Amino acid sequence: RKEVEQDPGPFNVPEGATVAFNCTYSNSASQSFFWYRQDCRKEPKLLMSVYSSGNEDGRFTAQLNRASQYISLLIRDSKLSDSATYLCVGSLMFSGGYNKLIFGAGTRLAVHP
Amino acid sequence: NAGVTQTPKFRILKIGQSMTLQCTQDMNHNYMYWYRQDPGMGLKLIYYSVGAGITDKGEVPNGYNVSRSTTEDFPLRLELAAPSQTSVYFCASSYSKSENTIYFGEGSWLTVV
Repeated sequence: RKEVEQDPGPFNVPEGATVAFNCTYSNSASQSFFWYRQDCRKEPKLLMSVYSSGNEDGRFTAQLNRASQYISLLIRDSKLSDSATYLCVGSLMFSGGYNKLIFGAGTRLAVHP
Repeated sequence: NAGVTQTPKFRILKIGQSMTLQCTQDMNHNYMYWYRQDPGMGLKLIYYSVGAGITDKGEVPNGYNVSRSTTEDFPLRLELAAPSQTSVYFCASSYSKSENTIYFGEGSWLTVV
């Protein structure tokens, strides 16, 4: 079983739609969670951190449910520029005392006119 | 605004050849990392370094070597290239031991034939 699992998609949505991605993680010791965005043939970039209380950044809302071990990302009013792959990422304390990132394989979003 | 710079961007290798992927960062970060990303898979950590002169294995180190003679540079060496090493390689760095603040290079596309 993958440590961080995501639906690969693609999610094809029209502009203006609301779309939600879920992700599950297997290691309950995972400490922090993030959503990264990766454009085609580019490097991953941090989109937002995920907090248990839920957090919002403009059109993006992230939620963490530790009891069920899943993380969600909600995108409202989708834009063409939101088309990308969204990586769900957890962190674990690794040997040497640093937090290691565990990456999901990503969910692809395609927003069309 | 250089950040993390890796070269080459693209390379085709023959089986058994050797090569070095170069990585340099100008942010004075102590922590540096090499990841590989295969289609349909999350990024996997190959090697990491917590400072000049100190390196350690990640999840998938076999077939690779690294060195860290300076804070800025963290080259990744493939000694005997194999088709299984066909992948996209990302170098990254972070200021603290938490990968939460990680910055990626633009990636190196390597094909072994």
